[in-house]
Amino acid sequence: DIQLTQSPSSLSASVGDRVTITCRASQSIGYFLNWYQQKPGEAPKLLIYAASSLQSGVPSRFSGSGSGTDFTLTISSLQPEDFATYYCQQSYSSPRFTFGPGTKVDIK
Amino acid sequence: DVQLVESGGGLVQPGGSLRLSCAASGFTFSRYEMNWVRQAPGKGLEWISYISSSGATIDYADSVRGRFTISRDSAKNSLYLQMNSLRAEDTAVYYCARANVYYSGSYEAHDYWGQGTLVTVSS
Repeated sequence: DIQLTQSPSSLSASVGDRVTITCRASQSIGYFLNWYQQKPGEAPKLLIYAASSLQSGVPSRFSGSGSGTDFTLTISSLQPEDFATYYCQQSYSSPRFTFGPGTKVDIK
Repeated sequence: DVQLVESGGGLVQPGGSLRLSCAASGFTFSRYEMNWVRQAPGKGLEWISYISSSGATIDYADSVRGRFTISRDSAKNSLYLQMNSLRAEDTAVYYCARANVYYSGSYEAHDYWGQGTLVTVSS
């Protein structure tokens, strides 16, 4: 099975900061990597699919990059509504779409 | 608007059974693959089951295989999860999620999620 790790597991940041979250796969998965945002008490929300494609309606301050085993989610200028937990998900081993452990972004 | 609404959660004793439902609206349900994903309290997301648009292909995570059964009824626009032999470690919020395809089917992601239903397994 493909394992995903995320770093850091948590981070503290201020409004306006540039934030970068990394996801690493245990084997090469091409561009088969998605990113989700989850706020407390809410369902996850798709942000990025196919490593770098922005889901419709998602603000352009979110971007994704990477391929193979190393991927990055970047928030260019953190907004108050962006404080949440972020998960990566691999879709290489369809339909077994495993998730990373998550990265919690909170207020510094 | 696309809507997914789960129901059927609750408190059940270890070894018991529960059937979850997910009512879909706002899209042609029969054309989409569907999934169940769960989240234990304070923990991350765990994919547990998949069903193809036709229902012909099904898959499960090892943690639930042999105990859970996914099904769908396109006439009722509904997805189901029959959960048997429940254990304490099955305690979680259960989400149904639609799988969408991108770039002519080359890539998939879960683009819509329900609000979740809580299953608590405890004596």
